[in-house]
Amino acid sequence: EPEVTQTPSHQVTQMGQEVILRCVPISNHLYFYWYRQILGQKVEFLVSFYNNEISEKSEIFDDQFSVERPDGSNFTLKIRSTKLEDSAMYFCASRVGPDTQYFGPGTRLTVL
Amino acid sequence: SQQGEEDPQALSIQEGENATMNCSYKTSINNLQWYRQNSGRGLVHLILIRSNEREKHSGRLRVTLDTSKKSSSLLITASRAADTASYFCATVRWGYNNNDMRFGAGTRLTVKP
Repeated sequence: EPEVTQTPSHQVTQMGQEVILRCVPISNHLYFYWYRQILGQKVEFLVSFYNNEISEKSEIFDDQFSVERPDGSNFTLKIRSTKLEDSAMYFCASRVGPDTQYFGPGTRLTVL
Repeated sequence: SQQGEEDPQALSIQEGENATMNCSYKTSINNLQWYRQNSGRGLVHLILIRSNEREKHSGRLRVTLDTSKKSSSLLITASRAADTASYFCATVRWGYNNNDMRFGAGTRLTVKP
């Protein structure tokens, strides 16, 4: 069964560094999402992406964040200058139909 | 806010007992979904119930939805130690070129062997 994949599974970075989190959505899906989950807290919506542009973004998704679909398969989340509070699990999701988003296994980002 | 709110925040039961988790939300929705998350791991989709449905079953899972009360419940029957995880409800509202999914804070279920 096709699934969403994410790399790396764990990323450790120094505060102020740029990180790029990568996702490969399910191949025929058209809508893409990033969520984050700070340890022990709820899953929070960051951004949705369709037709090569952002559909919606949350207050969390400030100018430090950007998303890109550089080719036909990858969907990336870039954090330009990481802060300690960016430490979290980041989930990518994709969908084709109106209902269910399929989630990847997540990337654990640790900012030191 | 559309976000779901689960209760209880934590639930501890013995193996074989039933576990009931509740979710309340604030706005109209198109569907509501339940996810499971093992500690530090990804989200596993369990079940989806549409706004025009009242009850749905999948194996040992039973989900109800009451749109008049804006609430849902997830029942896990005959629980097993392997059911230990956090369970999240997520509400979905369709929009233009988007489906707006928002998660609740989750219920941490512990099933003791």
